[in-house]
Amino acid sequence: EPEVTQTPSHQVTQMGQEVILRCVPISNHLYFYWYRQILGQKVEFLVSFYNNEISEKSEIFDDQFSVERPDGSNFTLKIRSTKLEDSAMYFCASSLFRAAEAFFGQGTRLTVV
Amino acid sequence: AQSVTQLGSHVSVSEGALVLLRCNYSSSVPPYLFWYVQYPNQGLQLLLKYTSAATLVKGINGFEAEFKKSETSFHLTKPSAHMSDAAEYFCAVRINFGNEKLTFGTGTRLTIIP
Repeated sequence: EPEVTQTPSHQVTQMGQEVILRCVPISNHLYFYWYRQILGQKVEFLVSFYNNEISEKSEIFDDQFSVERPDGSNFTLKIRSTKLEDSAMYFCASSLFRAAEAFFGQGTRLTVV
Repeated sequence: AQSVTQLGSHVSVSEGALVLLRCNYSSSVPPYLFWYVQYPNQGLQLLLKYTSAATLVKGINGFEAEFKKSETSFHLTKPSAHMSDAAEYFCAVRINFGNEKLTFGTGTRLTIIP
């Protein structure tokens, strides 16, 4: 069964460092998303991406965040200068079309120290 | 703006008993509604979805949910709990026109008592 895969599963980084979280969405899907879940809190939407551009973003997704689909298979989330409060589980998701259900990856746990 | 409220951050049921996890939504337009499950150290798995077709939706692992517009509810049920159902369950809503983002509830941790 096709699945969304994320790497790494866990990343530890020092405050102020740049980090790139990687995702391989399901191959025929057209919409891509990043969500995050701070420990003990709800899952929050960060950004959606379609046709090589951001289609929607939340107020959390400020200038320190960026997304890219560098090739036909990967979808990345870059955090330029990490802060302690960026520590969270980051989920990548994809869907076949806008109204379809989103399939989530296993998540990358980011710890900023 | 859409939102969901999940009543009860923790629910415990005995093995074999009815599971009822509550979700109420708020949306200015007809919503799409979802239940996701998160097992320990795993990602989010779709249990079931409501997309304006049948109001009673059946999902995986014996779960089902009923959309009740008059009550703005989408409660998740399972007739007989199994130990493997222990997990965190999230209700989520999406506006069904022109909006891709899911808005999640705070989650309900389900514990099964042997």
